[in-house]
Amino acid sequence: DGGITQSPKYLFRKEGQNVTLSCEQNLNHDAMYWYRQDPGQGLRLIYYSQIVNDFQKGDIAEGYSVSREKKESFPLTVTSAQKNPTAFYLCASSIGAARAYEQYFGPGTRLTVT
Amino acid sequence: AQRVTQPEKLLSVFKGAPVELKCNYSYSGSPELFWYVQYSRQRLQLLLRHISRESIKGFTADLNKGETSFHLKKPFAQEEDSAMYYCALSIRGGYSTLTFGKGTMLLVSP
Repeated sequence: DGGITQSPKYLFRKEGQNVTLSCEQNLNHDAMYWYRQDPGQGLRLIYYSQIVNDFQKGDIAEGYSVSREKKESFPLTVTSAQKNPTAFYLCASSIGAARAYEQYFGPGTRLTVT
Repeated sequence: AQRVTQPEKLLSVFKGAPVELKCNYSYSGSPELFWYVQYSRQRLQLLLRHISRESIKGFTADLNKGETSFHLKKPFAQEEDSAMYYCALSIRGGYSTLTFGKGTMLLVSP
């Protein structure tokens, strides 16, 4: 199950605080993705990055920010502007653009904001 | 924009019964369709893709462009098939992200 890791597994924050979720991969994949998973909502794409120093907004990017300074790392910051931040967050990677369909997922981080 | 619909949130069957997890999509071009699965306490993983026309763990799925469907089928369900199943769509050609359905929980009882 190695290859893509997310930390921590559980994260608790007070409302109004920014929080950064970690995602690291050692698969030498070019592309990385962040999803939000809510009960009954499936997976919704927040941000994705095809290559280092480049990223694009997904379907629900408002209130989130990312960076891609290294190939292995794609951290997600949940800002205080995100109205409903409590959720399960999944990170994924794929070899590259041509095989974006074959994504390898991390174990997820459950964020609770009170 | 493309859309994936899985009409059933939960599908409960007995061991040995046939299973069909429904997936419908809307997209005007030529999509690629996939099924992802998440077993309890495991990561989400790719189960199968329509273009390979393969059978994985006894599951098959046929792309029906006329009905815009990609239903997942298995003739005889096993208890270990219990999991969350997501149908996903990618636009063929060029770079594309995955659009996921909301998922169907399959429960196979003994």
